Amino acid sequence: AQSVTQPDIHITVSEGASLELRCNYSYGATPYLFWYVQSPGQGLQLLLKYFSGDTLVQGIKGFEAEFKRSQSSFNLRKPSVHWSDAAEYFCAVAHSGGYNKLIFGAGTRLAVHP
Amino acid sequence: DGGITQSPKYLFRKEGQNVTLSCEQNLNHDAMYWYRQDPGQGLRLIYYSQIVNDFQKGDIAEGYSVSREKKESFPLTVTSAQKNPTAFYLCASSMTRSGEKLFFGSGTQLSVL
Repeated sequence: AQSVTQPDIHITVSEGASLELRCNYSYGATPYLFWYVQSPGQGLQLLLKYFSGDTLVQGIKGFEAEFKRSQSSFNLRKPSVHWSDAAEYFCAVAHSGGYNKLIFGAGTRLAVHP
Repeated sequence: DGGITQSPKYLFRKEGQNVTLSCEQNLNHDAMYWYRQDPGQGLRLIYYSQIVNDFQKGDIAEGYSVSREKKESFPLTVTSAQKNPTAFYLCASSMTRSGEKLFFGSGTQLSVL
């Protein structure tokens, strides 16, 4: 069965520091992968997605993610974190034949220290 | 502005009561979804609808019901059969039936009195 694991429940970084949020997936075929961000009490917003092609994908707000098939990973990165990046981040995987059933990880809550 | 509107933002349910959460979109999207979010867990799919008058069960449909009589509306009813309804409920929509990019509402927090 498909699954998504986000190993880090909470991460704290200083403003201006680099960030990497980990995501590992379990899926037999080529996965379709997503990163979403959620501010407190709000809905989710799509940061970026990977379907095929270049394994390094660029998203909104200066985020990028790299698909590594050999490691079954799709880690999210940002070179310099801003205080406004504090939020919860969700990795998700979908069936290649249909994205209706997204499977979400448990999320990583990011805190940013000034 | 186009978007998804969920109401109410907070809702309280009494024992044995059915409650209905509203979700309206003016994005002209074909597909709509309901997710449940519990603390420390990812989102879980309750129901989804790809076209009007049609919907499918997600992973945790028991104790919930939906309707899709209009393209812009996808209300979710939490029935008395749902024994643990306290959660944050998120409605989403997508332009295509394949759900490539989901647009989310701001959610409804349901609590039991």
